[in-house]
Amino acid sequence: GAGVSQSPRYKVAKRGQDVALRCDPISGHVSLFWYQQALGQGPEFLTYFQNEAQLDKSGLPSDRFFAERPEGSVSTLKIQRTQQEDSAVYLCASSLYSGGAVYTQYFGPGTRLTVL
Amino acid sequence: GNSVTQMEGPVTLSEEAFLTINCTYTATGYPSLFWYVQYPGEGLQLLLKATKADDKGSNKGFEATYRKETTSFHLEKGSVQVSDSAVYFCALHASDGNNRLAFGKGNQVVVIP
Repeated sequence: GAGVSQSPRYKVAKRGQDVALRCDPISGHVSLFWYQQALGQGPEFLTYFQNEAQLDKSGLPSDRFFAERPEGSVSTLKIQRTQQEDSAVYLCASSLYSGGAVYTQYFGPGTRLTVL
Repeated sequence: GNSVTQMEGPVTLSEEAFLTINCTYTATGYPSLFWYVQYPGEGLQLLLKATKADDKGSNKGFEATYRKETTSFHLEKGSVQVSDSAVYFCALHASDGNNRLAFGKGNQVVVIP
């Protein structure tokens, strides 16, 4: 079946622009995660949704970062007034419900954001 | 907090050589442990996992054993192929109700024919 898809795959923004990154999770997956991966580093957690509820946003680096999943399926990560330090690969992952159990997180290919 | 430490630096080795990538962790309780692999131009893929102490995860000739006494989850493969060239990430899922994965920095593995 189809995996996690993300769009766009590449995004170049001028400093100060707003960007929106999209994630389509695997159908039926309740949990959705966003991670940020800087060059040469491992992914770092940003935020977590269970259906449409954002249960954990403790990893968002500033109030310029905002994520939503209004219908419990597709999710959008929005970055306002982008800065050079926002340049990274943004990864989306989905899994079956993980309340009390550990389910595998399946990752999308990522969106590489470059802020000039 | 929960964290994962991987050995520093890329790993370069010849085809059919033995591969070991070290991974140690810090976590409260009883985390689950994972190895993810990222092939060039592709997304992260789960390679193997172990959910309790002394469990051995295995896949595609790779193995890792969850050692609680040494808080380690080292990845091994007895005979690597050129196609194993990739970046390997160790990760943990804590048992404290926090659903995130905590990743190590990753190790680039280059296998030379």
